[in-house]
Amino acid sequence: ETAVFQTPNYHVTQVGNEVSFNCKQTLGHDTMYWYKQDSKKLLKIMFSYNNKQLIVNETVPRRFSPQSSDKAHLNLRIKSVEPEDSAVYLCASSFRTGGNERLFFGHGTKLSVL
Amino acid sequence: GEQVEQLPSSLIVQEGASVLINCSYTDSASVYFPWYKQEPGKRLQFIIDIRSNMERKQNQRLTLLFDKKTKHLSLHITATQPGDSAIYFCSASMRSRGYNKLTFGKGTVLLVSP
Repeated sequence: ETAVFQTPNYHVTQVGNEVSFNCKQTLGHDTMYWYKQDSKKLLKIMFSYNNKQLIVNETVPRRFSPQSSDKAHLNLRIKSVEPEDSAVYLCASSFRTGGNERLFFGHGTKLSVL
Repeated sequence: GEQVEQLPSSLIVQEGASVLINCSYTDSASVYFPWYKQEPGKRLQFIIDIRSNMERKQNQRLTLLFDKKTKHLSLHITATQPGDSAIYFCSASMRSRGYNKLTFGKGTVLLVSP
C-alpha cells in the first residue's frame, strides 16, 4: 500500500518528558511536512523537508526538532513537552512542484500531555 | 501574513440537499487553492483545487468557484450524502522565501443527515 504512515497513533506523557514521532511515506514524494492540528482543528505548518533538506521552519518552540534520514522519512522529536503541545501531529508528503502541491496526509499522532 | 476565513463554521443539511461553503483570503500573492476534507477518524484528504488563473472547476458533485477580484472562493456540493459528513478546509498557497507556503482556514463542519 502506498501512503503516509505515522506511529504511534496516540501518546500520553507527562510535562517535561521527551517524545518522538515517526513518519514514513511510500508515495515516492520528495517533500515531507509536519503540521500541528489543535483541539479546534486549526492546522499550522511546523516544518517541511525537501530531499532531506529543511526548507520550512515556521515559528515553533526550540524544543521541537525534525529529523530526516532520507526523503521517505521525517520524524519529529519534542524535548521536554509542555501542556500546550497537546494536539494531533499530522505528517504529510507531496511532490515539490511549481506551486500546485497536493498534500497526502497520515492519520496523525495524538499527543496528550498531562 | 496570509489569512484564510471560512464560513459557515458548521452546517447541518438533509441528504440530497446542496451546500455552499465560502472562503476568503487576504494576500493577493496566493495563487493556488486546494481544498481538503477530514472525515471522522480518517486522514485529511485532498478533494479539489483551483489556480488563480481559473474561475471554475468541477469534479463530479463538487464545483469550486474563484473570484480573484474579491479574493473569494466557494465550494458547492450537490446531492449531499451522509458520507459527505466531514470537516472541509479551504487553503491558500503562495510563494514565500523560496517555498510554497500553505495557509489553512479553520474548517467548516458539514453534517448530512439521512
